[in-house]
Amino acid sequence: DVKVTQSSRYLVKRTGEKVFLECVQDMDHENMFWYRQDPGLGLRLIYFSYDVKMKEKGDIPEGYSVSREKKERFSLILESASTNQTSMYLCASSSFYGYTFGSGTRLTVV
Amino acid sequence: QKEVEQDPGPLSVPEGAIVSLNCTYSNSAFQYFMWYRQYSRKGPELLMYTYSSGNKEDGRFTAQVDKSSKYISLFIRDSQPSDSATYLCAMEERGSTLGRLYFGRGTQLTVWP
Repeated sequence: DVKVTQSSRYLVKRTGEKVFLECVQDMDHENMFWYRQDPGLGLRLIYFSYDVKMKEKGDIPEGYSVSREKKERFSLILESASTNQTSMYLCASSSFYGYTFGSGTRLTVV
Repeated sequence: QKEVEQDPGPLSVPEGAIVSLNCTYSNSAFQYFMWYRQYSRKGPELLMYTYSSGNKEDGRFTAQVDKSSKYISLFIRDSQPSDSATYLCAMEERGSTLGRLYFGRGTQLTVWP
C-alpha cells in the first residue's frame, strides 16, 4: 500500500520557535506539495517541489521555507512560528492519477 | 475570482438520498478532474478521476463533467452514514508537468440514519 507519512499528527509550539514538519513518500514520485487547510479557506498551496533540491513557491509562501535533499523526503520549515500559522498542514505527492495525501499535522502555535 | 468554485454547504441528507455535489471553474485549460473525500482529522483521499466530458461511474458514485459549461458534479446514490465527509473537487491543466492541482474549498456532507 503506497504511503505518504507525516512525522507528527499533533504539534504545539511557541511563538518564535523554528518548526520542522517532515513528510516521506514511498512511491518514488517526483512531485511533492505542502498545503495548509483552514476552515472556510480550503487547501492553500505553500510550496511544491518537482525534483531533488528544486522548489517552487505556491500561493502563500511567506513565513515558510522547504527542503528537499532526497527524493522521498520533503520538509516544511516555519522560520519563526506565529499564531496565524496555527493550522492543519497536509503533504502530498503526485502521480498521473492525482495526489496521495498524508494524514496531516495539526499545528498549534501558542 | 477563485479559479474553482465550490459551495461549502453544509449539506445534510437522510440515509438513502441521492446527493449532488458541484463545482464550477473558469480556466478552460483544465483537462483532468478529480473528487477527493476527506474524513474528519484525516488527509483527503482520491475518490474519482476523469478527463473527458460525460459520466464516469464507480459503484454508488458518478462523476460528471461538462467542459462546455465548465461544470463538474459528483452524484452519490443510496447515500450512507459512512459517506459523511468533506468532498473536494480538484482540477489539473492540460500539459501540466508539475502536477499542480487546483482545489475547491470543499463541501461538508452529513448523512443521517
